[in-house]
Amino acid sequence: AQTVTQSQPEMSVQEAETVTLSCTYDTSESDYYLFWYKQPPSRQMILVIRQEAYKQQNATENRFSVNFQKAAKSFSLKISDSQLGDAAMYFCAYRSANNYGQNFVFGPGTRLSVLP
Amino acid sequence: DTAVSQTPKYLVTQMGNDKSIKCEQNLGHDTMYWYKQDSKKFLKIMFSYNNKELIINETVPNRFSPKSPDKAHLNLHINSLELGDSAVYFCASSGPRRTDTQYFGPGTRLTVL
Repeated sequence: AQTVTQSQPEMSVQEAETVTLSCTYDTSESDYYLFWYKQPPSRQMILVIRQEAYKQQNATENRFSVNFQKAAKSFSLKISDSQLGDAAMYFCAYRSANNYGQNFVFGPGTRLSVLP
Repeated sequence: DTAVSQTPKYLVTQMGNDKSIKCEQNLGHDTMYWYKQDSKKFLKIMFSYNNKELIINETVPNRFSPKSPDKAHLNLHINSLELGDSAVYFCASSGPRRTDTQYFGPGTRLTVL
């Protein structure tokens, strides 16, 4: 079974600075998808960014980018020019591409605080 | 328009009661899910339904039963509620393609007294 690990329970960053959240996963599959979700205090789960494992190019969405290292099974999220609204729980997630209807596996989350 | 909606958003009830949480998605997705998020924020899948068939059941107690009247709805029924059932429950949906992302509802905070 696949597992997702986020080794940083809490992180903090100064407003306008850059922060990197780490995520590692364990799988024997070669084809899969990785996601970062954000959960602000409102509780809503919001998709931040996604990466297809077969793509070597790292995904980017505005101030959010990932560093995908397939061999190392690492998928970190970089937030540039941090804003107060970025404060939230961040979850890394894995989805197999091989099994129809395969469930998503989530990491335990990292709580990010943004300091003014 | 809300893509995935849940009702109620908050539910407070006594131990031993039976309750239901409703979920609806207007995205035309084929697969719907229920997750439980505990007090430590750990998100764990409970069920997923595809075309009205249960395809994954993560060893959840049989007091929990998902009911899907149609492709757009997946309701969660909980019998004989226990204190440990207190959590936030999220409904989610995704399309049939392997590339499809999962979209979440706003969550239902269940408190069992």
